[in-house]
Order: sequence, then C-alpha cells, then structure tokens
Amino acid sequence: GDSVTQMEGPVTLSEEAFLTINCTYTATGYPSLFWYVQYPGEGLQLLLKATKADDKGSNKGFEATYRKETTSFHLEKGSVQVSDSAVYFCALSGTRGGNKLTFGTGTQLKVEL
Amino acid sequence: SAVISQKPSRDICQRGTSLTIQCQVDSQVTMMFWYRQQPGQSLTLIATANQGSEATYESGFVIDKFPISRPNLTFSTLTVSNMSPEDSSIYLCSVTSGGLAKNIQYFGAGTRLSVL
Repeated sequence: GDSVTQMEGPVTLSEEAFLTINCTYTATGYPSLFWYVQYPGEGLQLLLKATKADDKGSNKGFEATYRKETTSFHLEKGSVQVSDSAVYFCALSGTRGGNKLTFGTGTQLKVEL
Repeated sequence: SAVISQKPSRDICQRGTSLTIQCQVDSQVTMMFWYRQQPGQSLTLIATANQGSEATYESGFVIDKFPISRPNLTFSTLTVSNMSPEDSSIYLCSVTSGGLAKNIQYFGAGTRLSVL
C-alpha cells in the first residue's frame, strides 16, 4: 500500500538558518504530494502541493519539488523564522482509493532566536 | 478554500460515555473525512462520510465505536462511543471540493478529547 516516510524530529534551528525536511514515498501510479503544517494548538493547514513529476510547490518561502526518480518531496526554506515553529506533515493522495490522504509521522521544527 | 467549523473544540469526558463531534462547512463539498491524531503521532483516517448512506470505514475502525452521519453536503457528525482513555486524541474533519481542487483536503481545527 501507499506510505510516506519523513525524517524524525525534532529539528532545532537558529533563526535565518536553512531548512530541509526529507520526505520519501511509496505509491503506485502518480500520486499527488502535499505538505501540511500544524501550528501549536491548531488543526492542519495546507502549505503546498504538487500533482505531477517535476512540479514545484511553493508558499510562504517554503518549496518542495516532486521527484519521481527518487520518489521524494523534500521541504526546504532558505531562511526560517521563529514563527515557522510547528509540526510539518508530508502526505500523498494516491491514484486509487479516492482522495484518501496517507500521512507521514510528522516532523517537529523548533526555531530559536 | 472551504471554511470548516468543528464543535466542540475540546472536551474532557468520563470513561464509558459518548461524545458527538460536529463538522460544519460553509459550502457544499464533495467528500468529508474523519481522522484521528493520537498524542504525538500522525493522522489516521477513520472513515469517509458519505452523504445519504453509511460511512466507509478504514481497517481497524468500526461503526459501533465510531458512528458517523452525513445528512447533507455541508454537515457531518462523528460519535466516539463507550469511551476509554485510549480514545484520548485529536479528531479532525476534512473536506474536498470539486473541480480543479478536487484532490486537496482542507481541515478543521480539530476536537481535542481527553478521556478520564
């Protein structure tokens, strides 16, 4: 079945540091890929998405590129802020089973001054 | 994107009781889903709420424990029945709309449930 693997956290960075959160997936066909963010005490918000190979999703300075050859969708940001502290979830929506989302385990990011 | 309201936002319940969580959307949506997020863990899909028919449950979840209703295209409820401390989780409703955004899920803020 479909699965998503994320790097374990917590990831602790200083403000303005470069961020990479690794995400790889296993799925049949051509899934859509997503990054969701969960700020403390809140629900999930869609951060960015990509629906086909080589697509780059971007939002709020975050980027991720759909790499079919490496089955990856790594999240990057050039300069993180304290306000980026949250839990980040990588997810996929497979080509079978309707619009069901399969989530990774989540990576907690802590950004310090 | 759709605006999703969940009620209650949090609750503390006694063992053996039941809690019904409501999910209201400000527009008609194609699909509605219910997820569980256990403490410190990722999200697990409980079921897909089908309008006018029985929900479709994922492996490990059953209707007797998590009855779901969806009377129309903007509203659904999830009941957590005969609760035990293991049911302490965040329960989240999500929706998809049609058209070009049909594969994007939007989430409510969640219901934080603690069972004593």
